[in-house]
Amino acid sequence: AQKITQTQPGMFVQEKEAVTLDCTYDTSDPSYGLFWYKQPSSGEMIFLIYQGSYDQQNATEGRYSLNFQKARKSANLVISASQLGDSAMYFCAMREALNDMRFGAGTRLTVKP
Amino acid sequence: NAGVTQTPKFQVLKTGQSMTLQCAQDMNHEYMSWYRQDPGMGLRLIHYSVGAGITDQGEVPNGYNVSRSTTEDFPLRLLSAAPSQTSVYFCASSQGADYGATNEKLFFGSGTQLSVL
Repeated sequence: AQKITQTQPGMFVQEKEAVTLDCTYDTSDPSYGLFWYKQPSSGEMIFLIYQGSYDQQNATEGRYSLNFQKARKSANLVISASQLGDSAMYFCAMREALNDMRFGAGTRLTVKP
Repeated sequence: NAGVTQTPKFQVLKTGQSMTLQCAQDMNHEYMSWYRQDPGMGLRLIHYSVGAGITDQGEVPNGYNVSRSTTEDFPLRLLSAAPSQTSVYFCASSQGADYGATNEKLFFGSGTQLSVL
């Protein structure tokens, strides 16, 4: 069963605007971590942000924030003030207690000038 | 810091050939893993290891072997390459291998683009 679902294969955003990338997950484990990675066209995987299942506050890292809604099992990534360099694939991932990190199919974000 | 080093970056094989993708990390990480990335499917876990001498299967292990004789190295072997194994392969590692290591991010290598003809 798919544990991480990213329903937006592609997204467009105008430069300097904010964009939300959706992610829902499925787990029965009370302890888990949620991650977002960025993959630019060069191919490397860049860690962006982390949210723990017990964290009360939404995680933020610079222009990135994670909109964590535990009851709805969603962990959407919000990028504020988009820049051209934000154009990339974005992957949502979850790590449960037995170590494996599982990834969604990804969302390709294109920032328009 | 070298981090996670994968070699080669590119490889072309003929169907039936075997090869080994190398992965080494210099961060003394206990946990290491191999993923394959295919369009529209994200990254899928092939095999992983929680320490030297310990390996286990992920989601898509068929056609691949791994071993972990040292903490640093985690090679991935393709026994008899098939066109379905054409993909981008990533090695990744993280510090912990405990039950509670849910907060540990993965550090990725730069990837290997493999084509099987």
